[in-house]
Amino acid sequence: DAKTTQPPSMDCAEGRAANLPCNHSTISGNEYVYWYRQIHSQGPQYIIHGLKNNETNEMASLIITEDRKSSTLILPHATLRDTAVYYCIVRAISNTGNQFYFGTGTSLTVIP
Amino acid sequence: NAGVTQTPKFRVLKTGQSMTLLCAQDMNHEYMYWYRQDPGMGLRLIHYSVGEGTTAKGEVPDGYNVSRLKKQNFLLGLESAAPSQTSVYFCASSYYGRSHEAFFGQGTRLTVV
Repeated sequence: DAKTTQPPSMDCAEGRAANLPCNHSTISGNEYVYWYRQIHSQGPQYIIHGLKNNETNEMASLIITEDRKSSTLILPHATLRDTAVYYCIVRAISNTGNQFYFGTGTSLTVIP
Repeated sequence: NAGVTQTPKFRVLKTGQSMTLLCAQDMNHEYMYWYRQDPGMGLRLIHYSVGEGTTAKGEVPDGYNVSRLKKQNFLLGLESAAPSQTSVYFCASSYYGRSHEAFFGQGTRLTVV
């Protein structure tokens, strides 16, 4: 699986957009980009995933560059409840299970 | 709708004792996983299962055993606990057709003294 690089921490003002970057320069053609988050002491929560097109759901938007070597998770209007550790994971879907290899992620703090 | 339930939520063990952590899911998911999380580190995969009766090793399997006798349950065993196994353990499950979306339990905080 391709390795990902994320900044260790970021701050964002409440109500503003939070843009969380992720580098995955060794990504392969069949590997997807997934984002999960972990709010303090809880189990991780799935946010969004994509292959090469930009994706949007009720939680966030995922922007993947044309060369697929980096991506950005966008929380359009950050709230205090979005304070969490955000994990960017690159993984190919396979029939042997979709186990995820989490790194240390980005600790996002939303400031009032 | 319980989702993924882990039992127990907290446990303190003495070195050398054994115990089993239970993970139960009510979503009829095929895939189940056990992770551990240590301070300042991300989650690391211990073992996983792609179906009833099957298990496979993950990133850090040493010192653990697992069993999946029933589709809804995934057990993680520690035969002889060591202080290095002090950690928070998370179980997760996912559906074969939507394996990108894993559902996690609330974790088990284990301390080995």
